[in-house]
Amino acid sequence: GESVGLHLPTLSVQEGDNSIINCAYSNSASDYFIWYKQESGKGPQFIIDIRSNMDKRQGQRVTVLLNKTVKHLSLQIAATQPGDSAVYFCAENPLDSGNTGKLIFGQGTTLQVKP
Amino acid sequence: KAGVTQTPRYLIKTRGQQVTLSCSPISGHRSVSWYQQTPGQGLQFLFEYFSETQRNKGNFPGRFSGRQFSNSRSEMNVSTLELGDSALYLCASATAGLGYEQYFGPGTRLTVT
Repeated sequence: GESVGLHLPTLSVQEGDNSIINCAYSNSASDYFIWYKQESGKGPQFIIDIRSNMDKRQGQRVTVLLNKTVKHLSLQIAATQPGDSAVYFCAENPLDSGNTGKLIFGQGTTLQVKP
Repeated sequence: KAGVTQTPRYLIKTRGQQVTLSCSPISGHRSVSWYQQTPGQGLQFLFEYFSETQRNKGNFPGRFSGRQFSNSRSEMNVSTLELGDSALYLCASATAGLGYEQYFGPGTRLTVT
């Protein structure tokens, strides 16, 4: 079945370093991918998205890369700050969602930022 | 602009009871999706409503149901609660169309004893 997974459950980085969070997806027909950040006690917060016709998209301190050949998605966070500590999820809008809001989420990577 | 609101934030129920959770989307958003989040299964899609119609449904038993009102507010209901229904229930709203941003509420923490 389709799934969106992350390579590492936990990532620990030093404050100021760059962070890279990876995600592998299985549905090659998916058109839309999103990264979410979830802090303790809160709902997921939208970070950045990318469509399948793009390879890269940049936001403020964040970059998402999409490699459709190997079905791989990554989130890069520049100059990681303590406030970036959270669980990060990648999500996929699968083809069978029929133009609806159904998202398939990965299991999440916990980012720990060391001061 | 106010965010997505969910009520109640916390709920404790007993096995066999039923529960109704409420979600008010961001003003102007016509799509509301519901997700269940548990430590073991992660975030799983329950269903999505758009203009009072269910557009898509996840792989959950019929005990889970929902509806949407004309003002886009949505409710989800779980009947005959089981211990395994204990979870964080998240609601997300969006404008419309494929690949649109979904904005999540803080969730309702349901505990079934």
